[in-house]
Amino acid sequence: SQQGEEDPQALSIQEGENATMNCSYKTSINNLQWYRQNSGRGLVHLILIRSNEREKHSGRLRVTLDTSKKSSSLLITASRAADTASYFCATVREKAAGNKLTFGGGTRVLVKP
Amino acid sequence: DAGVTQSPTHLIKTRGQHVTLRCSPISGHKSVSWYQQVLGQGPQFIFQYYEKEERGRGNFPDRFSARQFPNYSSELNVNALLLGDSALYLCASRGQVVDYGYTFGSGTRLTVV
Repeated sequence: SQQGEEDPQALSIQEGENATMNCSYKTSINNLQWYRQNSGRGLVHLILIRSNEREKHSGRLRVTLDTSKKSSSLLITASRAADTASYFCATVREKAAGNKLTFGGGTRVLVKP
Repeated sequence: DAGVTQSPTHLIKTRGQHVTLRCSPISGHKSVSWYQQVLGQGPQFIFQYYEKEERGRGNFPDRFSARQFPNYSSELNVNALLLGDSALYLCASRGQVVDYGYTFGSGTRLTVV
């Protein structure tokens, strides 16, 4: 079963605009990660935020985490056509054996040139 | 440095048959995980191996099995294939630095007819 839901399921924006997507999860976590997937192939790790962090930046990416609301957001600034992809959040549960990732259903982002 | 490699890239099998999927992790990575991604959904955890020992198993039937070899490569085996096993099977490896997340291979697209 999926850990949580992503919102929106699909997003269409113009090049240069910002894209924001949200992720909600159900259990206490150790960390939350965001991945990008192009055309149904392998996933690419974008950023990891730990449960004791509230905000993290990497290039044009900004991730926030609100553990009280069990939610996270990913902001992509100044989007480019190459950002067209599906974006998934994935959680690693607190005190879980191993470090398995539990994914949400993903947000499909289309950036129009 | 090669990334995570998976073989084959595509596979068509008949119901009831058996399939073996292979994965080579990034050099130095001792942790390998397998995920199943059905079209339109997020990946679902199947197995995790670390140092040749099973560290986690997802909610999949016993028809699914895996193993990790001394060189840290891994095989995923699925017996008695069902139509519902049609999916993209992803392998991921991780090193010691948690913040780098997992590195995924490009996957094996399995179609069961």
